Amino acid sequence: GENVEQHPSTLSVQEGDSAVIKCTYSDSASNYFPWYKQELGKRPQLIIDIRSNVGEKKDQRIAVTLNKTAKHFSLHITETQPEDSAVYFCAASQYPSTLTFGKGTMLLVSP
Amino acid sequence: GAVVSQHPSRVICKSGTSVKIECRSLDFQATTMFWYRQFPKQSLMLMATSNEGSKATYEQGVEKDKFLINHASLTLSTLTVTSAHPEDSSFYICSARAGTVEQYFGPGTRLTVT
Repeated sequence: GENVEQHPSTLSVQEGDSAVIKCTYSDSASNYFPWYKQELGKRPQLIIDIRSNVGEKKDQRIAVTLNKTAKHFSLHITETQPEDSAVYFCAASQYPSTLTFGKGTMLLVSP
Repeated sequence: GAVVSQHPSRVICKSGTSVKIECRSLDFQATTMFWYRQFPKQSLMLMATSNEGSKATYEQGVEKDKFLINHASLTLSTLTVTSAHPEDSSFYICSARAGTVEQYFGPGTRLTVT
């Protein structure tokens, strides 16, 4: 089955800095890679996703890059703000199979 | 769009009793729903996948008779924790998919078994 590794487990940055979270996956057949943001006690919210036929996708301050050859994908957040503080999960799947989640990264943005 | 609700948001029950959690897709028909369990500071652990009108598929190590899942309609799935024990205390989250790849999560249910 799929295995997703996520690093780092915690990330502290100053407001305005960039943050990068990296994930690797094991199943070369995986073709869908979403990122979720989860605030304490709340639901995971889909913030961006990428499919295997695309190398990069941007949405305002958030971007995701995918390297299929190396089987890794990354989340990039620019101009971080305190409200970006949360736990971020990456996931991978080969649709319609279920998502396999990474263990999460706790991002803390200090004012 | 793509709103998933869950009820109740919090429940406290006594050991040995059963608890039912509802998951509803409010503005779309969910062909597939998923149930997850999440312990503090940990990732989401998939418990089971359910398709409308079919029996749920449970992940290895999840007791079918303890965690009963019913996906009775395209907008409703229920998880019943039977004979609950303190170790079943956790955050239970459902998610739904409408036949496309995106998966949307409910707000979760905090279960405390005393």
